[in-house]
Order: sequence, then structure tokens, then C-alpha cells
Amino acid sequence: LAKTTQPISMDSYEGQEVNITCSHNNIATNDYITWYQQFPSQGPRFIIQGYKTKVTNEVASLFIPADRKSSTLSLPRVSLSDTAVYYCLVGDALAGNMLTFGGGTRLMVKP
Amino acid sequence: DAGVTQSPTHLIKTRGQHVTLRCSPISGHKSVSWYQQVLGQGPQFIFQYYEKEERGRGNFPDRFSARQFPNYSSELNVNALLLGDSALYLCASSLERDQETQYFGPGTRLLVL
Repeated sequence: LAKTTQPISMDSYEGQEVNITCSHNNIATNDYITWYQQFPSQGPRFIIQGYKTKVTNEVASLFIPADRKSSTLSLPRVSLSDTAVYYCLVGDALAGNMLTFGGGTRLMVKP
Repeated sequence: DAGVTQSPTHLIKTRGQHVTLRCSPISGHKSVSWYQQVLGQGPQFIFQYYEKEERGRGNFPDRFSARQFPNYSSELNVNALLLGDSALYLCASSLERDQETQYFGPGTRLLVL
């Protein structure tokens, strides 16, 4: 399984754009990149998934360069309610449902 | 539709006891997975069940077991509890077996004294 590396924590202010980068140098050809969000005392929540280039949904954008060795989750105009832990996962969707979570990035949004 | 539900929400046990945690997946979801999340760490995979059969197992001792029922609900059992078993136990469901988009329940917080 590809190992992921992301910053332990980040601080931001309301209204700013936040970019969280994840490194996955050993990503395999079949691997997808998935991001989850987790609030305290709740289960993780799926945010976005991609394979290459750029993916955008109503919550976030995911940028993946051509070599796929890293990815960046972009949260536009964050609010206080975006304070959470964000996990970057890399895995083969055909390998079953064994999600491998790292330590995640603890985002603190300040007023 | 209701999301993934888990019971109980909180539980306190003592070392050596046994615990059973329950999970009801989203209606129509056939796959259920269990994760353990120790405070300050990411969730760690314990089991996956699909169509009532174990399809995956993480690096956990045999004290941990699980099963899935015909209605796709699931139970996680832990025997001979240790202090280190104190954690948030998360259940996640997905429509089919091979999907990375999983829907997590709120978890059961277990405290072992």
C-alpha cells in the first residue's frame, strides 16, 4: 500500500482558501486518491476522489499532477465549521474496502 | 434515508470483560467494515464483511471477531478486553464490496478500565 505524508496541522482564517498537500511517492497505477474529513467524535466523511488532473465538486477541488506522486485538496473560502481533520488515502479500488488512514491534517479555522 | 447507525454510543467495561458492538448499514448497502480509532490517530481497519462473509481482516488479535447478518447488519465482538482496546469503534458501509467511498457511522466510544 502506498504510504501518504501530509502536514500534521494547519491554521487558516475564515474566508481564505486552504490547500492541503499529500505526498504519495509510491502510488501504484491502479490507485485512486481519496480525501475524508472527520469532525471530533464523528466518523470520517468522504469529500472527494480522483485519479489524475483535477476533480471538483460542491465541497472541494482535488489537484493531481501528471506524475501523481502528490495531490492537493483545495477548500475555497473556509468557515469555522471546516475545522476538522483531513485524511488523504491512496488505494486500489479493486482491492476491497480496506481503507488505510494515516495521521491526517488537523485544520484549525480561526475567526 | 437514515445513515449508518451504531449502538451503543458509549460503553464502559473493565479489563477481561467481553463487549459486543452493533452496526446497521445504510439501506441497500451490502458491505460493512469495522475500524478502530485510538485518540489522536487515524482509523485502523479491523474487518470487512460482504454478503455475510469475511472479506478482509486487519492486523488485530483473535480476540476481535465479527459477523454479518442476513439483513446486512453487523456485530463486532471483543473478548478479554485490555486497557489498550479503549477507542472509538467505527462502522462503515458501502453498496458493494470494492468501493472506496464508504459511509461511516458516528461510532461507539469504548472505555476499558
